[in-house]
Amino acid sequence: DAGVTQSPTHLIKTRGQQVTLRCSPKSGHDTVSWYQQALGQGPQFIFQYYEEEERQRGNFPDRFSGHQFPNYSSELNVNALLLGDSALYLCASRRDRAYEQYFGPGTRLTVT
Amino acid sequence: DAKTTQPPSMDCAEGRAANLPCNHSTISGNEYVYWYRQIHSQGPQYIIHGLKNNETNEMASLIITEDRKSSTLILPHATLRDTAVYYCIVRVDGGTSYGKLTFGQGTILTVHP
Repeated sequence: DAGVTQSPTHLIKTRGQQVTLRCSPKSGHDTVSWYQQALGQGPQFIFQYYEEEERQRGNFPDRFSGHQFPNYSSELNVNALLLGDSALYLCASRRDRAYEQYFGPGTRLTVT
Repeated sequence: DAKTTQPPSMDCAEGRAANLPCNHSTISGNEYVYWYRQIHSQGPQYIIHGLKNNETNEMASLIITEDRKSSTLILPHATLRDTAVYYCIVRVDGGTSYGKLTFGQGTILTVHP
């Protein structure tokens, strides 16, 4: 049983560009959350998707948007990239209301 | 969600018990204590959680004080593979919580041979 998978593993973008990161949840999971982890910091909650809708959002600007597909996979989009967006982007999935969340290995985004 | 305080780093000898403390003095009655860890270059991994009773699973034990203002995660026989950042998180389950995790700085546990 595959766990949470994310693609790509690494990505380098230029300031001002747009990026799309992808996440496939663990089998049987219907809820996907995205986190941003800057170097040396704990992960910060971006938003959560359930039933193809954004259900909860953290303190991130509208440049960060997402989508969830009928198969529960999800995308994170970031527009107008800033140098400060350089971070590890983590996807986590769970069955709705379950205690345990499973994290993917993350996508390392570098903005130059 | 209640704020937590953890020591920035701890050391432990391989084979010995690792006891990681967490203070959550503002915890509410309906808030659970969760522990996650993050091994270098990996995503966080769930360890254990509890409300007010002590809990044990195959990975660790969680001891919560009677007033619930602090807790201790115990790894009974630490191995080198337990070297990681350990996060103590307090949050409400259910309702409008939706499972959001608020991570602090965590404790860097280093297990030495």
